[in-house]
Amino acid sequence: NAGVTQTPKFQVLKTGQSMTLQCAQDMNHEYMSWYRQDPGMGLRLIHYSVGAGITDQGEVPNGYNVSRSTTEDFPLRLLSAAPSQTSVYFCASRDISGNTIYFGEGSWLTVV
Amino acid sequence: AQSVTQPDIHITVSEGASLELRCNYSYGATPYLFWYVQSPGQGLQLLLKYFSGDTLVQGIKGFEAEFKRSQSSFNLRKPSVHWSDAAEYFCAVAPGGNEKLTFGTGTRLTIIP
Repeated sequence: NAGVTQTPKFQVLKTGQSMTLQCAQDMNHEYMSWYRQDPGMGLRLIHYSVGAGITDQGEVPNGYNVSRSTTEDFPLRLLSAAPSQTSVYFCASRDISGNTIYFGEGSWLTVV
Repeated sequence: AQSVTQPDIHITVSEGASLELRCNYSYGATPYLFWYVQSPGQGLQLLLKYFSGDTLVQGIKGFEAEFKRSQSSFNLRKPSVHWSDAAEYFCAVAPGGNEKLTFGTGTRLTIIP
């Protein structure tokens, strides 16, 4: 009963380093998305995908890249990390006919 | 664009007392509305959702919410809270079936004995 799996759960980066947050779902969901959560701001949409090979920007896309080569995976890349990207990141998915969005358990990222 | 307002940043309730968390939304049509709960250090768990039909929605853990179109509200209620309900609660809105959720800023619930 894996659902949406995010790795790593915790990461510390130095400013300027790059890294990829992994997200995988085993529910054959077409839609996947990435959110970031900051204190007092709720969750904000970074990027989303409506299917393999299709991605689009959300509310706060700057500094992040995504790709969707398979239905199962939706990695989020930080090319040059900045302290402003210190946040908790959540991956989510849903199927094309359902309206319930399933969230992963989050990835805590600190950029120093 | 849609938006969500949760006017209460922090609420403290005695165990066994009733609870109401407020949520107001802004959206041109009938939105899809959700309530999520997040325990410290954990991900988000869906409590309940409203898409259409009966405006009183039942969810998990004894929670319910009522959609009031005239007030653009979707308040969450529980008749008797338990210590395990202490968490942060998020209201969210999505335009019909879209995965682009817009979240409120959350309400932190503290339960006192």
